[in-house]
Formats: sequence, structure tokens, C-alpha cells
Amino acid sequence: NAGVTQTPKFQVLKTGQSMTLQCAQDMNHNSMYWYRQDPGMGLRLIYYSASEGTTDKGEVPNGYNVSRLNKREFSLRLESAAPSQTSVYFCASIGFGYQGTTSNQPQHFGDGTRLSIL
Amino acid sequence: AQTVTQSQPEMSVQEAETVTLSCTYDTSESNYYLFWYKQPPSRQMILVIRQEAYKQQNATENRFSVNFQKAAKSFSLKISDSQLGDTAMYFCAFMKLNYGQNFVFGPGTRLSVLP
Repeated sequence: NAGVTQTPKFQVLKTGQSMTLQCAQDMNHNSMYWYRQDPGMGLRLIYYSASEGTTDKGEVPNGYNVSRLNKREFSLRLESAAPSQTSVYFCASIGFGYQGTTSNQPQHFGDGTRLSIL
Repeated sequence: AQTVTQSQPEMSVQEAETVTLSCTYDTSESNYYLFWYKQPPSRQMILVIRQEAYKQQNATENRFSVNFQKAAKSFSLKISDSQLGDTAMYFCAFMKLNYGQNFVFGPGTRLSVLP
């Protein structure tokens, strides 16, 4: 099925460890996003990539790096995990030409990754 | 920068009753979209309804409708004939139409539909 795929779904890390969250979409979308969701905070944008080869900081980029590997894939890396990064992470994508599309869903979300840092 | 505010952290409503969730936003843009998303316990983000800022007519999707007041920068969601399956977090979101088409989400309102 077409959509956004995130891996892993769950992960527990120790403080100081590193890891990469993977995201891939098969809808040929240009723009991809990484959000984190904390209780009572809604979704906050970490980084986004408007198109292949470009990345920009969002609201809360500190402690994270991203790579837009190709048009399909957008990964999020924690170089040295901290307990404050315990959260649920969502990847999302949107296609340019949204106004002209027949899709009713402007932004497609993955199912989320629950990350705990001990 | 755009901001989205939802002033009701939690709300409850009796089954079959009507409830209205509030959302206000701040922007200097003239062209943009507004959305309401529903997030049930499964954590999936589900689009409920969208509104294009250039349209004066309020959007409606079955039991869901909005009251869009552009001058007041207000975008409330009305749920009619509430059902138990409507229990979820509801997020108001803003999207401006430019490079990156960035989304900004409000903090959410937790809605409980009571039997």
C-alpha cells in the first residue's frame, strides 16, 4: 500500500548512544518532515526537506541531524541520545501540486516511532 | 512565524450531543490552509477537515463542520451527533503556501465522548 513507512516502531536507548530513524515514502512526494510529539505539546517540527538535496531546521532541531538520501528516503539521526529526546517521532510527506491533486490527505504520516532514552 | 493555539486542553461531551473545539492562529500570510486532525489511541494522524483561506464558505464533512473567521483568525471545529469513536486528540494545523509547505500544529484538545 502507498504511504509513509517508518522504522523502527519502538526503540530503547541508553544515554549517549546513537541511532538513526528511517523513513521512506512511495508517493513521489517532494517534501518530507520529521516531527516529535510530547505529551501536551502537539507535534513540533524537527527538520524538513522541501525537495531532494535540501534540508532545513524546524522548531526543535538541536541534538538531531537529517539526511535526504534520495526522493524516497529521509532519515533522522540522534548522535548522542539524551533523556530529553524521549518522545514519539513521526515522519510525514507532502507532494507539491497539492492544490491540483485529487488526494484529500494533504500530509501523509507514518505510524510513528516510540523512542525511550534511559 | 506562525503560531496555532488551542485553549481547551480537555473536553468531554455526551454521546449524540454537539461539541465545539476552538482554535486560533497568528499569521501575516494571506493564502494558507487550515486543518483539523484526529489522533486516536492508535496514534495515527487522521485528517478530519480542511479549509482553504481564500474560500469564504465553511467546510463541512458529514458530522464535522468548521466556523472559519479569517479576520479574527479563528477556526473552530463542530462535531454533531458525537459518537464514542470520536474520542481522540484533536489538533488544529496551519499550512502556508510557499517553499516547503510547512505545517504548524496546535497543542491539541483531548476529547472524550461519554456514553
